Amino acid sequence: DTGVSQNPRHKITKRGQNVTFRCDPISEHNRLYWYRQTLGQGPEFLTYFQNEAQLEKSRLLSDRFSAERPKGSFSTLEIQRTEQGDSAMYLCASSLGGTRSPLHFGNGTRLTVT
Amino acid sequence: AQKVTQAQTEISVVEKEDVTLDCVYETRDTTYYLFWYKQPPSGELVFLIRRNSFDEQNEISGRYSWNFQKSTSSFNFTITASQVVDSAVYFCALFGANNLFFGTGTRLTVIP
Repeated sequence: DTGVSQNPRHKITKRGQNVTFRCDPISEHNRLYWYRQTLGQGPEFLTYFQNEAQLEKSRLLSDRFSAERPKGSFSTLEIQRTEQGDSAMYLCASSLGGTRSPLHFGNGTRLTVT
Repeated sequence: AQKVTQAQTEISVVEKEDVTLDCVYETRDTTYYLFWYKQPPSGELVFLIRRNSFDEQNEISGRYSWNFQKSTSSFNFTITASQVVDSAVYFCALFGANNLFFGTGTRLTVIP
């Protein structure tokens, strides 16, 4: 069990640029989640996948955000035309699925939009 | 609607003191799961405990203990004999509607 891996750890970009983050979940986990965390707040749900199917998206996930999990393994989160308000820590988590299984989180990608 | 409230924003204690972190939740579900996570300065969220709504038995794990009271919708977390390594932000969370709802966290600082 190598844990959930996210990269990059840090990303600084200029407003208007596109960015993409990657998450590699724990290998046997079929659920994958994306959360966003701003300073002083708890993580907020963005979206989750059951295998390759994206089953739920939060209203926080605007049209500029898109997530994929093409083969049911790793996932990418892309933000187009970044805005300063997108600056946050983006957390990925995986689980075996169902309410019993705890989510295991990665170290996150910290995005700074200048 | 799911909601988790952690009224304590920051707590400071001197090493070896006991400390209790409060968590109050709201849900209309009859079956639900509650969690505590620790977020050290490194940023990773570390799973500490899961409790289901049918099990109100308190749990102890080393210096950690949890008090779940359905009647008051509370799931409090106590650290006994705190250590400097316990310094972190602690989040209470409720699993509902296929994802975790987090509180705003309590920042614990243990002073040596």
